Amino acid sequence: QQQVKQSPQSLIVQKGGISIINCAYENTAFDYFPWYQQFPGKGPALLIAIRPDVSEKKEGRFTISFNKSAKQFSLHIMDSQPGDSATYFCAASRGRGSTLGRLYFGRGTQLTVWP
Amino acid sequence: GAVVSQHPSRVICKSGTSVKIECRSLDFQATTMFWYRQFPKQSLMLMATSNEGSKATYEQGVEKDKFLINHASLTLSTLTVTSAHPEDSSFYICSARPMDRDYGYTFGSGTRLTVV
Repeated sequence: QQQVKQSPQSLIVQKGGISIINCAYENTAFDYFPWYQQFPGKGPALLIAIRPDVSEKKEGRFTISFNKSAKQFSLHIMDSQPGDSATYFCAASRGRGSTLGRLYFGRGTQLTVWP
Repeated sequence: GAVVSQHPSRVICKSGTSVKIECRSLDFQATTMFWYRQFPKQSLMLMATSNEGSKATYEQGVEKDKFLINHASLTLSTLTVTSAHPEDSSFYICSARPMDRDYGYTFGSGTRLTVV
């Protein structure tokens, strides 16, 4: 059973546009929701993460919106650039610090930003 | 901070031989490291959880005798693919969690294994 469901599978956005990727989860025990960016042939890199005590977190052009009641969270990339073209994975886990549990990944979204 | 070094980045080996992949946490200690396998255009599939000083915990369907994991120190975990076959060709990625920081997980850069 897929613990974290991610959509869309692929996304094409024009340069300067907004990219939006959505994820949903079932396990209400999850309390850590990171987003990872992966370029071809590289490992995933942590982009931004949120905990359920806040509804939004912004870091530069990247924003996570979190809806605890709907068990959904999304990544918004403002002013999308060709360099943002990559695969994005949402994930979920529970715990923190040394007790942080394993990550459950979504299936990924391949983002292409056209110049 | 929180850098994970994975080596080698790519390796080609002959069918039937064994290959060792190293995962090192460079600036932090990690009691737990994770090993993933990723097929093209797919998500990361957790293979096993590696705990320092104890046996690894393997996910269902992962052959323990084929994928040997050793976590001998707080900064090093190794994955050995034994008697490799072409179907073991894949992208293998490790990740580690700092013991003393609420930093989430850091991933290595991955190892592309090709078995010929």
